[in-house]
Amino acid sequence: AQSVAQPEDQVNVAEGNPLTVKCTYSVSGNPYLFWYVQYPNRGLQFLLKYITGDNLVKGSYGFEAEFNKSQTSFHLKKPSALVSDSALYFCAVRDKDTGRRALTFGSGTRLQVQP
Amino acid sequence: DGGITQSPKYLFRKEGQNVTLSCEQNLNHDAMYWYRQDPGQGLRLIYYSQIVNDFQKGDIAEGYSVSREKKESFPLTVTSAQKNPTAFYLCASASPSNYGYTFGSGTRLTVV
Repeated sequence: AQSVAQPEDQVNVAEGNPLTVKCTYSVSGNPYLFWYVQYPNRGLQFLLKYITGDNLVKGSYGFEAEFNKSQTSFHLKKPSALVSDSALYFCAVRDKDTGRRALTFGSGTRLQVQP
Repeated sequence: DGGITQSPKYLFRKEGQNVTLSCEQNLNHDAMYWYRQDPGQGLRLIYYSQIVNDFQKGDIAEGYSVSREKKESFPLTVTSAQKNPTAFYLCASASPSNYGYTFGSGTRLTVV
């Protein structure tokens, strides 16, 4: 079985400050990891993914995430937050070593960036 | 433009009625997925299909049905057996080389 935990329902940060949104995962094999962002009443938009290789992954809109196998974490980061980054963020995992390609999502973290 | 289209955007259903949500993609993706989103619970997998004429139950399939007669289309029927159908439904598709999903814009279903 595969699962994702996003321990924070909401993260508040001031504009211009760095932000971190936390994610830990559990898979029986090796993981593919993803971050998506959702704006109100919209579908999810892809931000970045870890498939293999460099543990630091860079994605859209200045976001990055670091894969840490020993801590089973894949935290999302951005050096300087913008008010427009305010949205709902989802971490997702898929087990690389099974035939099932369906992603398992975390419960989401709402990011609020104050001006 | 290539993409994935869900319709309608808003849907109202009376209790006891079946309703079908449409999902169409022109991305030539082989796999398609249906998720349900409730506040504070993230996305939960209802059904998925990795090839035409084949589909598998996800984690919360009870009260739902699907078909995959064409590669482009993966409609979801919410039956009267689904006890709490009010939710936001998201369809997604993926290709083997892409690993991740492309999402539609969702259908908000409300039972009245």
